[in-house]
Amino acid sequence: NAGVTQTPKFRVLKTGQSMTLLCAQDMNHEYMYWYRQDPGMGLRLIHYSVGEGTTAKGEVPDGYNVSRLKKQNFLLGLESAAPSQTSVYFCASSRRTYGYTFGSGTRLTVV
Amino acid sequence: ELKVEQNPLFLSMQEGKNYTIYCNYSTTSDRLYWYRQDPGKSLESLFVLLSNGAVKQEGRLMASLDTKARLSTLHITAAVHDLSATYFCAVDWRDNNDMRFGAGTSLTVKP
Repeated sequence: NAGVTQTPKFRVLKTGQSMTLLCAQDMNHEYMYWYRQDPGMGLRLIHYSVGEGTTAKGEVPDGYNVSRLKKQNFLLGLESAAPSQTSVYFCASSRRTYGYTFGSGTRLTVV
Repeated sequence: ELKVEQNPLFLSMQEGKNYTIYCNYSTTSDRLYWYRQDPGKSLESLFVLLSNGAVKQEGRLMASLDTKARLSTLHITAAVHDLSATYFCAVDWRDNNDMRFGAGTSLTVKP
C-alpha cells in the first residue's frame, strides 16, 4: 500500500519556468490538499479538493493552479516560478478531516 | 479566519525532564491533531483528539483537548533523545473544509 506518492522529490527551476507537481493516492480518499512548508511558518494550505473535478483556494493560492481530473491524482502547477515559491511542498489526502496522510514532500528551489 | 498558535517554538530539554507544549486556536473546533516531523521527512500522525476532554497517550507523550478554552497540550514525560523532532498541532476548520497548522515546536532533548 503506497499511500500518498509525490513526484518529483527534488527540483530546481529558473525564474519564469513552469512545472507540475504530481500527487497520487491509492486509498480512495475524497479529499486532497497541497501545502507548502517554510521555516518558522508551519504548513500553509495552497489549494484543496473535496472530490474529483472540484478544487478550491486555500490560504496562499496566488501563483499556483491545481487540477483533479481523476480521484486519485491532484496536480499542482506553477506557471511562472518565482524565488518566493522556493519551499517544500506536501500533498495530503483524507477521507474527511479524520487525520491526513501526507506524502514525502517535494523540495523546490527557484533560482 | 482560524489562527493556530503554538508555544514554545523552540524547546531544549534535558533527558528525563518533563515539559508541555501548548496549542491555542481562535475559532470553534472539536477536532485537533498532533503531528511529528523529523528533519527532511514527512509528517507522522501522533494523535487525533475528537471531543472536549479527550486525552490520548502513547509512550512518553500525552495529548489533551479543552474545546472550551480552545487549548490543546502535548505533555512529554521523562524525555529521551529519540523524541527530538518538530511537533505540530493542527485544527480542523470545518467552515473551510481544511486543516490549519501551528508554526511548530522544535524540540531538542539533550543527554
